[in-house]
Amino acid sequence: NAGVMQNPRHLVRRRGQEARLRCSPMKGHSHVYWYRQLPEEGLKFMVYLQKENIIDESGMPKERFSAEFPKEGPSILRIQQVVRGDSAAYFCASAEQGLENSPLHFGNGTRLTVT
Amino acid sequence: TQLLEQSPQFLSIQEGENLTVYCNSSSVFSSLQWYRQEPGEGPVLLVTVVTGGEVKKLKRLTFQFGDARKDSSLHITAAQPGDTGLYLCAGAYQAGTALIFGKGTTLSVSS
Repeated sequence: NAGVMQNPRHLVRRRGQEARLRCSPMKGHSHVYWYRQLPEEGLKFMVYLQKENIIDESGMPKERFSAEFPKEGPSILRIQQVVRGDSAAYFCASAEQGLENSPLHFGNGTRLTVT
Repeated sequence: TQLLEQSPQFLSIQEGENLTVYCNSSSVFSSLQWYRQEPGEGPVLLVTVVTGGEVKKLKRLTFQFGDARKDSSLHITAAQPGDTGLYLCAGAYQAGTALIFGKGTTLSVSS
């Protein structure tokens, strides 16, 4: 059973470009979470999605960031007009249930570098 | 802002030593999870604790959830170089909310 797959592993974008990060959850998991990690800042929650629905986007910046989890295909985190401050590791996690004590299965992240 | 405070931030010890890392908050958790993350990889779940006062053991690792469900500790006995990594605690304050993570404890075990 394949784990959570994220691609690309590394992404370099110039300021002003768009970044698209993809996440395929584990088979049978319909709950997806996106986190951002900066050195010495820990994992910051961004958004929680269930198939075709955004459940909680309280951690998402109001501008330039969007996320989707369509009925078919991977979840996408999209960052428009990237700035240097967007450079970070972005992790996706999936869960079988949306309960607070459900274990999260993480991918190995996408490391975004904005030049 | 609800915070999870982890201490110490960094810990460097010799193989064979024991250590304890802590996770504290002023708020009550419905449950708490511990993860371990290695460089270049995503966090991997170690344990979930749900009941106040609960103690769980995973080989040389012992996890304890405080009676009031506001704090937790991870104790490692006879640390080995393979224990090196970033240890993260994560909790949910209420049902249906996403997990909030602490900043982690970076553990380095040298032989």
